[in-house]
Order: sequence, then C-alpha cells, then structure tokens
Amino acid sequence: RKEVEQDPGPFNVPEGATVAFNCTYSNSASQSFFWYRQDCRKEPKLLMSVYSSGNEDGRFTAQLNRASQYISLLIRDSKLSDSATYLCAVNPNYNQGGKLIFGQGTELSVKP
Amino acid sequence: DAGVTQSPTHLIKTRGQHVTLRCSPISGHKSVSWYQQVLGQGPQFIFQYYEKEERGRGNFPDRFSARQFPNYSSELNVNALLLGDSALYLCASSEHNEKLFFGSGTQLSVL
Repeated sequence: RKEVEQDPGPFNVPEGATVAFNCTYSNSASQSFFWYRQDCRKEPKLLMSVYSSGNEDGRFTAQLNRASQYISLLIRDSKLSDSATYLCAVNPNYNQGGKLIFGQGTELSVKP
Repeated sequence: DAGVTQSPTHLIKTRGQHVTLRCSPISGHKSVSWYQQVLGQGPQFIFQYYEKEERGRGNFPDRFSARQFPNYSSELNVNALLLGDSALYLCASSEHNEKLFFGSGTQLSVL
C-alpha cells in the first residue's frame, strides 16, 4: 500500500462546477498536511496547508480527518485556470520537515 | 526576493556519466531538500540537508549523493547514470520544518 494515495483522475468538470479530491495516508503519526498545485512541466506550488480545524482560502477549502486518515480539497466555482494537477503531501515526522511524502497527483481539467 | 533557483534547467547525459545539479535556496532558508519526479508520479524524496548536515535520506541508491555549503546552497550528484534516472529533479527550501518552496527544477534526460 502506498503511503499517500490519490485518485489520478482526470476529473473533467465544466466551469462553475464544484469538485472535491480526497487523499488517504497510511501513517497515523503524520504531523503536517499540504495541498500543492502543479502545472504541466512546472514545479509544485503550495496551495494551502491543511489543519485539523479545516481551512478555507477563497474558493478552496481543505479538511483533515485524522480518524479516517484522509485529507480533502474542495474547489468551488471552478475556473479554467484551475486546470492543473493537485498533489497532496504529508509530513510523517515534524523533526524531518523537509521530507514530504507526495501522492501521485489528481489531474483536473476545467472545460468551458 | 529571488525564489529557489536551480541550474541547469535542462540536461542531456548518456548512460554511465555523472551529473551535478545545483540549487540556491530562498534567502534566509537553511533547509534544502531534493526530490525526483518521474512523469505521471508525485515528487519522491531523495535528501534533506539542514545547516549543512544530512537530516534525511530517501530510498535511493548510493549513486545519489548531496551536500550543502556554508551559504546553504546545495548540490545533488548522481553517478553512473541509468536510463531510469531520467526525471525532473526538484529542489525545495524551507525556513523551518514546515512549508516547502520548490525551484523550477532540472529536467534530466539520460540517453
């Protein structure tokens, strides 16, 4: 079983749709959680951190469910510019902060 | 302020050669991590350095090595290149043990 798993998609949605991605992790001791966005052949860019209380940034909402060991990302009112690959990342050990375990990534394609 | 800078941006090598990739972190960041990303997969952790000391190593063979310099820049070295080493190599820096900021990567092709 992979340490971090994501549905690779692709998710094809129309503009204005709401789309949600889940990501499961296997290490229950994991400390920190993140969502990154990666455009084709570019570097991953931090989208948001994920906190136990959940957090929201504009159209994006991230949530953490420690009991079920998954994190989620919700995108409301999808824009064409949201088309990208979304990577979830887990830090299994706070003392080794530079080590993130990434999922495979979920591809999102927003169509007009 | 400059972000994480990596050089070169692209590199073509043949099997058996060695390669050195370079990374300069964001000013003030003392931690540098290296990742390998093959097409269709997420980045995979190779090394982390903090204050010039290795703090973590991923599941990569000894052909992979790295170091960090007093100015916190870093090099990743790969010896005896294999076709399977073809990938995007990403460097990331962080101020503390939290959010990582990635450079644009070095695309390595091994022929």
